[in-house]
Amino acid sequence: DGGITQSPKYLFRKEGQNVTLSCEQNLNHDAMYWYRQDPGQGLRLIYYSQIVNDFQKGDIAEGYSVSREKKESFPLTVTSAQKNPTAFYLCASSADRGPSYEQYFGPGTRLTVT
Amino acid sequence: AQSVTQPDIHITVSEGASLELRCNYSYGATPYLFWYVQSPGQGLQLLLKYFSGDTLVQGIKGFEAEFKRSQSSFNLRKPSVHWSDAAEYFCAVHTGRRALTFGSGTRLQVQP
Repeated sequence: DGGITQSPKYLFRKEGQNVTLSCEQNLNHDAMYWYRQDPGQGLRLIYYSQIVNDFQKGDIAEGYSVSREKKESFPLTVTSAQKNPTAFYLCASSADRGPSYEQYFGPGTRLTVT
Repeated sequence: AQSVTQPDIHITVSEGASLELRCNYSYGATPYLFWYVQSPGQGLQLLLKYFSGDTLVQGIKGFEAEFKRSQSSFNLRKPSVHWSDAAEYFCAVHTGRRALTFGSGTRLQVQP
């Protein structure tokens, strides 16, 4: 079955450590996205990528980094510079970046930093 | 910049009752409009979308939404709610520039 996988589902880290969240898709989609979800705030865009080796900052990119070396993979690194990293992180993909292309979401990773 | 407002943070309805979730957007032109549903601890699933044409759109799970340009609204409706509809619902817009802009969500609770 085609879809998006995010691993792990739950992740715990100590403050000051970088952590990388995995996102893999087998939908052959060109565009991929990372969103952050906090209670009562909906989803906010962190980074997006339209194509391999290209990515753009979203609304809350500070303290995060990404790479897009393969079409199917778009890992997100939460660095120690991110002031409030505890959140639910959602990865999505779409065939193209345009608005008529549905975004498919992964199951999410809940990151807790203490 | 575009924005999306979902004025109801939490709504409780009885099973079998009708449902309307409100969504207002702010954008100069007609955006692309979406409703997503999220079960606890899960990703989002697309319920329906509006791009152009008929302003009443049908979606999955018996949901529909109506686009009203004069009110900048895209309210989600369901005539009879089932217990399995309990979830969080997000309205989103896409203006063609970057990615989706989401509202803050409405949590639906269904009473037996």
